[in-house]
Amino acid sequence: EPEVTQTPSHQVTQMGQEVILRCVPISNHLYFYWYRQILGQKVEFLVSFYNNEISEKSEIFDDQFSVERPDGSNFTLKIRSTKLEDSAMYFCASRTGTSNTGELFFGEGSRLTVL
Amino acid sequence: AQKVTQAQTEISVVEKEDVTLDCVYETRDTTYYLFWYKQPPSGELVFLIRRNSFDEQNEISGRYSWNFQKSTSSFNFTITASQVVDSAVYFCALITNDYKLSFGAGTTVTVRA
Repeated sequence: EPEVTQTPSHQVTQMGQEVILRCVPISNHLYFYWYRQILGQKVEFLVSFYNNEISEKSEIFDDQFSVERPDGSNFTLKIRSTKLEDSAMYFCASRTGTSNTGELFFGEGSRLTVL
Repeated sequence: AQKVTQAQTEISVVEKEDVTLDCVYETRDTTYYLFWYKQPPSGELVFLIRRNSFDEQNEISGRYSWNFQKSTSSFNFTITASQVVDSAVYFCALITNDYKLSFGAGTTVTVRA
């Protein structure tokens, strides 16, 4: 069964360092998302991406964050200069363009720990 | 704007008891989808059930059942005869036409042996 894969599963970094989280969405999917979950809190929308551009972003997604799809398969989330409060689980999700079921397919998450 | 409210933050039961998780949602859209996700201690989000706004038929799947009441904007979830492996955080979520999934705050279920 096709699935969304995310790497790394866990990354530990020093405050101020750049981090890139990678996602490989399901191959025929056209819409891509990043969500964030701070430990013990709910899952929050960060950004949606379609046709090689951001379609919507939340207020959390400030200038420190960027997304791109560099090679037609990977979908990356970059945090330019990490802060302690960026420590969270980051989930990638994707969906088809024609889906009428409303379902997003989630990856297993990348846990980021900023020290 | 849409909103999902899970009023119960934690539920603790003894194995074999039934557990019902409440979810109330708000949306102005007439077409939407409701979900329940399970998040075990390992952290991944496990999809459990999806319902669209036009399908109020309730369902039982094994030990899981769902009660969707459009009139009260509720989408409750029941685990029958709970097991220790059911211990997790359960999230109710809503998607509308903008395809932004809005999650509730989650309910932590602890099943004690």
